[in-house]
Amino acid sequence: NAGVTQTPKFQVLKTGQSMTLQCAQDMNHEYMSWYRQDPGMGLRLIHYSVGAGITDQGEVPNGYNVSRSTTEDFPLRLLSAAPSQTSVYFCASSLLGTGIYEQYFGPGTRLTVT
Amino acid sequence: GQQLNQSPQSMFIQEGEDVSMNCTSSSIFNTWLWYKQDPGEGPVLLIALYKAGELTSNGRLTAQFGITRKDSFLNISASIPSDVGIYFCAGPHGSSNTGKLIFGQGTTLQVKP
Repeated sequence: NAGVTQTPKFQVLKTGQSMTLQCAQDMNHEYMSWYRQDPGMGLRLIHYSVGAGITDQGEVPNGYNVSRSTTEDFPLRLLSAAPSQTSVYFCASSLLGTGIYEQYFGPGTRLTVT
Repeated sequence: GQQLNQSPQSMFIQEGEDVSMNCTSSSIFNTWLWYKQDPGEGPVLLIALYKAGELTSNGRLTAQFGITRKDSFLNISASIPSDVGIYFCAGPHGSSNTGKLIFGQGTTLQVKP
């Protein structure tokens, strides 16, 4: 199993540009989520999904969109990038039920917005 | 709102020493998790705790779920260079079983060979 994969690994955007961060998992996990990590801070939840067709907002959703058309994929869209969105983005997945908090993380996408 | 506070923020120790770190909250948690993040990588789950007072080991790591349910502790015995990284505590955000996690700010561990 590849686990949780994320692409790209690094990205530089100009203010106002849009892009999609890709996340995929091959563990048949129903639950998937996106976090951002800023220096000196823990991870903060952006959006999450408990299955295909179902998404919900986390702690810091503004400026980001998600959709979940398949169990495997959970892309994160930045509609109009801002310097405040410079961060490292992590995707995570887990099974539903008692193990929902035992989440597997991808390697991250390092995004810089100039 | 919910917040997790970790201490210390950073530690610089000699190889072979034992390490202790903790995580506290102003609200009660029913689950505590400890993750480790290696430089340039995503976090990896070390230990999950589900019951107040529970003590769980994973190799040289031991974690405890505090009796008050407002704190948790992680100990590493006989540290080695590969223990270097950031250690995060985490707990459920909100009251229902949504999978939403809240993280502490992390404890950065450096080990001198």
